[in-house]
Amino acid sequence: NAGVTQTPKFQVLKTGQSMTLQCAQDMNHNSMYWYRQDPGMGLRLIYYSASEGTTDKGEVPNGYNVSRLNKREFSLRLESAAPSQTSVYFCASSESPYTDTQYFGPGTRLTVL
Amino acid sequence: QKEVEQDPGPLSVPEGAIVSLNCTYSNSAFQYFMWYRQYSRKGPELLMYTYSSGNKEDGRFTAQVDKSSKYISLFIRDSQPSDSATYLCAMSAPSGSRLTFGEGTQLTVNP
Repeated sequence: NAGVTQTPKFQVLKTGQSMTLQCAQDMNHNSMYWYRQDPGMGLRLIYYSASEGTTDKGEVPNGYNVSRLNKREFSLRLESAAPSQTSVYFCASSESPYTDTQYFGPGTRLTVL
Repeated sequence: QKEVEQDPGPLSVPEGAIVSLNCTYSNSAFQYFMWYRQYSRKGPELLMYTYSSGNKEDGRFTAQVDKSSKYISLFIRDSQPSDSATYLCAMSAPSGSRLTFGEGTQLTVNP
């Protein structure tokens, strides 16, 4: 089992460009999450999907959109990237929402110039 | 004020030392408490999971929760260089509530 996979691993964008971060899990988990990690701020929830077909905003959703494509895949889109979105992005999944163990992917390091 | 406070360190100890990592929180509804370990340039991985108050031991690791003081701790005995990582506390209220993470404490264990 690969667990949670994320692509790409690294990305550099210019202000105003768009991109989609991809996430897939092979553990048959129902819930999936997108976090960003910044120095001094810890992990902050951007969006989550408690189950296939549902998505909800987290703590810092502005500037992002998500799609739960199927039970395995959960993508995060930046429509018009800004320097404030420079961060490390982690996808995670769990059997059930929140209180169950969350398994994290390796992360995507994004720089917006 | 943050809901979860964690000293970011860095913390540097010699091999074999006992390490104490701590978090305080303000939300009395939190009942699920976790410790994640994150190696450099990797994703976090769950290390310990505790429900409500009390102690939980797993090998060299012990997690303690004191709900009356709103304080949780992770102890590492006989610390090893391989324990060098960032340790994040996380907690949540009953089902349906998001996880709230601490900032993480960076630990280095020197051979």
